[in-house]
Amino acid sequence: GAGVSQSPSNKVTEKGKDVELRCDPISGHTALYWYRQSLGQGLEFLIYFQGNSAPDKSGLPSDRFSAERTGGSVSTLTIQRTQQEDSAVYLCASSSRGGGRAGEQYFGPGTRLTVT
Amino acid sequence: SQQGEEDPQALSIQEGENATMNCSYKTSINNLQWYRQNSGRGLVHLILIRSNEREKHSGRLRVTLDTSKKSSSLLITASRAADTASYFCASGHSGAGSYQLTFGKGTKLSVIP
Repeated sequence: GAGVSQSPSNKVTEKGKDVELRCDPISGHTALYWYRQSLGQGLEFLIYFQGNSAPDKSGLPSDRFSAERTGGSVSTLTIQRTQQEDSAVYLCASSSRGGGRAGEQYFGPGTRLTVT
Repeated sequence: SQQGEEDPQALSIQEGENATMNCSYKTSINNLQWYRQNSGRGLVHLILIRSNEREKHSGRLRVTLDTSKKSSSLLITASRAADTASYFCASGHSGAGSYQLTFGKGTKLSVIP
């Protein structure tokens, strides 16, 4: 079946511009996560959506970052007024369960963002 | 930061040898997971061990968990060149209605043919 998809795969933008990154989770998965990975580093948690609950935004690094999940499916991560330090690979993952019963996460291929 | 640590940061072995990677974490967990990443893109889930389990096997993979030491290890037996990748541990913990995976910085494994 189809896995998690992300678009675009690569994005080059000028400093100060806004960008939108899209994630299509696996159909039926209630939990959706966004992570950021800088070069040679581990994954940094950004935001978590679970069903219709309020999202956990505790990982968003600044108020320039926001995300929404429409209809419990597709999610968009928006970065306003991009800075060079925002350059990273942005990874989306979904899971069939959330909360304390959460298990493995299925990752998309990521969007490589370069801010020039 | 609640980020865990992997050890070693890089490991180079000959094909056929075993590879052992270690991971430490900082908070109490629901489970601990290991993931593999090729070429800096999407991660692939390898194995999950729950907090009440001590050891788990899957094919050539063996994972141990010691909650008293807040540590885990991943053993890959009879390594192959195709095992070359970065390996990440992720500690799963829930609270306040949320669930997070906290990833370590990874171990870069190179298996030499």
